Formats: sequence, C-alpha cells, structure tokens
Amino acid sequence: NAGVTQTPKFRVLKTGQSMTLLCAQDMNHEYMYWYRQDPGMGLRLIHYSVGEGTTAKGEVPDGYNVSRLKKQNFLLGLESAAPSQTSVYFCATNDPGAFEAFFGQGTRLTVV
Amino acid sequence: GEDVEQSLFLSVREGDSSVINCTYTDSSSTYLYWYKQEPGAGLQLLTYIFSNMDMKQDQRLTVLLNKKDKHLSLRIADTQTGDSAIYFCAETLNTGFQKLVFGTGTRLLVSP
Repeated sequence: NAGVTQTPKFRVLKTGQSMTLLCAQDMNHEYMYWYRQDPGMGLRLIHYSVGEGTTAKGEVPDGYNVSRLKKQNFLLGLESAAPSQTSVYFCATNDPGAFEAFFGQGTRLTVV
Repeated sequence: GEDVEQSLFLSVREGDSSVINCTYTDSSSTYLYWYKQEPGAGLQLLTYIFSNMDMKQDQRLTVLLNKKDKHLSLRIADTQTGDSAIYFCAETLNTGFQKLVFGTGTRLLVSP
C-alpha cells in the first residue's frame, strides 16, 4: 500500500528547461493537490483537482500547468523553469468531507 | 482573508513541555490541524480539532482553541528528541473542497 507517491524525488533543472512531476495515489481519492514549500512561507497551493478530468488554480499557479487524465494521477508541469521555482513540491490527496489529507514525500527541485 | 501565523523556532530540553502557537484570521474555518514534518519527509497529520471544540487531548498532545482570539496551540508533554521536527498549523475552509491553508511552520529542536 504505497499511498501517495511522487516522482522524481530530486531534480536539478537549468533555467528554461521543462519537466513534469508525477503524483500517483492508490487510495481512490477524488481530490488531489499540488503545494510548494518555501522556507518561512509554509505550504502554498499551486493547483488542485476535484476529480478526473478537472483542474483549478490555487494560490500560486503562474508558471505551472496540471493535468488529471486518470483519477489516480495528477501531473504538475513546468514549461520553462525559472530559479524562482526552486522549491520542495508536495502532492496531497483526500476525499470530499474527509478531514485528513495524505501527503507524498515531496520532490526537491532546484533550478539553476 | 486567510492568514495563518506561527513563530519560526522553538528550542526545549528533553523532558520539558513544548507549546507551539498559531493564530489564524478566518473565523469561518471549520477544522484546524497540526501537521508534523520530519527532515526529508512529507507532512503527517498529528492531530486536529473541530471549530466547535475548545480542547482536545491525545496522549502527550493537547490542543487548545480560543475562537475569540483565533488562537490555536499545541502542547507536547515530556518532549523527546524524536519530537524534533517542523510543526505546521493549518486551517480548512468549507468551500466545497478541503482547501488547506498552512502556517509558516515552527521548527522544534529538542536537546538532550
């Protein structure tokens, strides 16, 4: 029972490169979220999805795109990476009405 | 508006009690949470409290909620070195999906 798995765990990108972060969950949850964590700022919501085929913007969506083609997967894309996107990215999932969200282990991304 | 604030750092000796404080501004919050993040790991739900409660105790953890002052605290009794981590306060709004708003996190350091 893996829960919430993020791939990759670490990545270094050059400015302007693109990449996709994958979040996979095996709990059959409806809702999925992408957060970024920066020192002294807590976690901020980038994008979220309330079901397969749906996505919505969170607090800090600029520079990111997402897709949820399958219920179990939520992809976060960076089309042209910038140093300001250096951060730790967390995926989370839960179900409607559930009080607990489950988090992945995080992806540490460095853009140089 | 939504804003959750915490002090950034707390240092205690093993065996002492730790108190981590949090203030929030959105009075419509329905649930308030404490998450724990150990080094290199994701966030783990530690405990939670419903907005209609004043206190919740769970083994060494005591959560106090002062709705009038919008103040939440987490007390850890008999703090151990294994409690060293970052503790995030979070609130959720009943907006149709569970949007978690996180505080900045408090780094707890427990020394022997």
